[in-house]
Amino acid sequence: GAVVSQHPSRVICKSGTSVKIECRSLDFQATTMFWYRQFPKQSLMLMATSNEGSKATYEQGVEKDKFLINHASLTLSTLTVTSAHPEDSSFYICSASPGLSGGPSSYEQYFGPGTRLTVT
Amino acid sequence: GDSVTQMEGPVTLSEEAFLTINCTYTATGYPSLFWYVQYPGEGLQLLLKATKADDKGSNKGFEATYRKETTSFHLEKGSVQVSDSAVYFCALSASSSASKIIFGSGTRLSIRP
Repeated sequence: GAVVSQHPSRVICKSGTSVKIECRSLDFQATTMFWYRQFPKQSLMLMATSNEGSKATYEQGVEKDKFLINHASLTLSTLTVTSAHPEDSSFYICSASPGLSGGPSSYEQYFGPGTRLTVT
Repeated sequence: GDSVTQMEGPVTLSEEAFLTINCTYTATGYPSLFWYVQYPGEGLQLLLKATKADDKGSNKGFEATYRKETTSFHLEKGSVQVSDSAVYFCALSASSSASKIIFGSGTRLSIRP
């Protein structure tokens, strides 16, 4: 149980275009979802935290108008990178937590497999 | 603020060697501590965790003990295998609620046959 999927796993887009990444909790309802960014050979940096039905909370230094996060349902959150540039190329990872939805591991975060974005 | 410091890699060992990856933390209160593993080309998987002082987390032959007095959570395994080659991240979560996880910089482990 507690499987999180991401789609697509890899995406290449041209500079100036937008790309949407989906994060789904497959077998549980996720009250909270998190979006991380990982640069090559570096650690994960939290970008934002989103609770279902409310606006995402962005970490300091993350542009909320560039990285649009929507958490419209308890099983789906999306990250849209708008007007992408080569410096946005990275590995984006989401995680999901049941939180108030309940369960023995309510507040554990379950990670998706990641999406590699390349902006040319 | 809260932070996690772990030994820099890469760490290269021979199969069946003993492994220690050091991790120390700085946090207010009583954080939960984690070790995550990232195999090549994959996302993070929770390896083990401990939620209070003196707890020992264990999984797949790995173990780590939550030491409050030394603010440490070192990862150990008695006999590593080639399949253990991966990047290991020490991490903390400030509270039991769904809060953000703070990761260490990661340690790349390579095991020689």
